Amino acid sequence: GESVGLHLPTLSVQEGDNSIINCAYSNSASDYFIWYKQESGKGPQFIIDIRSNMDKRQGQRVTVLLNKTVKHLSLQIAATQPGDSAVYFCARPSGGGADGLTFGKGTHLIIQP
Amino acid sequence: DVKVTQSSRYLVKRTGEKVFLECVQDMDHENMFWYRQDPGLGLRLIYFSYDVKMKEKGDIPEGYSVSREKKERFSLILESASTNQTSMYLCASSLPGGLTGELFFGEGSRLTVL
Repeated sequence: GESVGLHLPTLSVQEGDNSIINCAYSNSASDYFIWYKQESGKGPQFIIDIRSNMDKRQGQRVTVLLNKTVKHLSLQIAATQPGDSAVYFCARPSGGGADGLTFGKGTHLIIQP
Repeated sequence: DVKVTQSSRYLVKRTGEKVFLECVQDMDHENMFWYRQDPGLGLRLIYFSYDVKMKEKGDIPEGYSVSREKKERFSLILESASTNQTSMYLCASSLPGGLTGELFFGEGSRLTVL
């Protein structure tokens, strides 16, 4: 079935550095991937998405890279700020005719001053 | 802005009690979802609904039921709460068809079953 996973449960970076959060997926049935950010005490919020006909997509300070050859997805955050501290999830459609998403286990990004 | 509101942020219940978690969305979305979130396990789908009175099982429906009597409201029911249902419960809504894939989440309901 569909699945996504993240490599590291925790990532610690210095404020101002770039952060890279990784995600791997198990098969290529889905053509769409999404990154969510969950701050403490809040629900997840959409950050950026990418379709499989793209290798790269950029937003404000964030870039998502998709490597279909090795089935790997990454979220890059430029010039990390304290407000970037959160848990980040990659997700993909669950498939089977449902409109829901299957989420990875999440990476907790910790910003060091 | 889309708003998904979960009625209770924190609940403490006893084993065997019946528990209702309520969720309301104000964007006229067809799809609504209930997830639970546990450390190290991420978000897991319990049930979802794509229309009023319609419901579909997710990945972990055992011990739960749902109700969708009105489009804006999706309730999660624990008929007889157990300690392994202690968790964070997240409600979400979305437009149908997965056009953007974006789910809009509420702020969560943290349930403790003693």
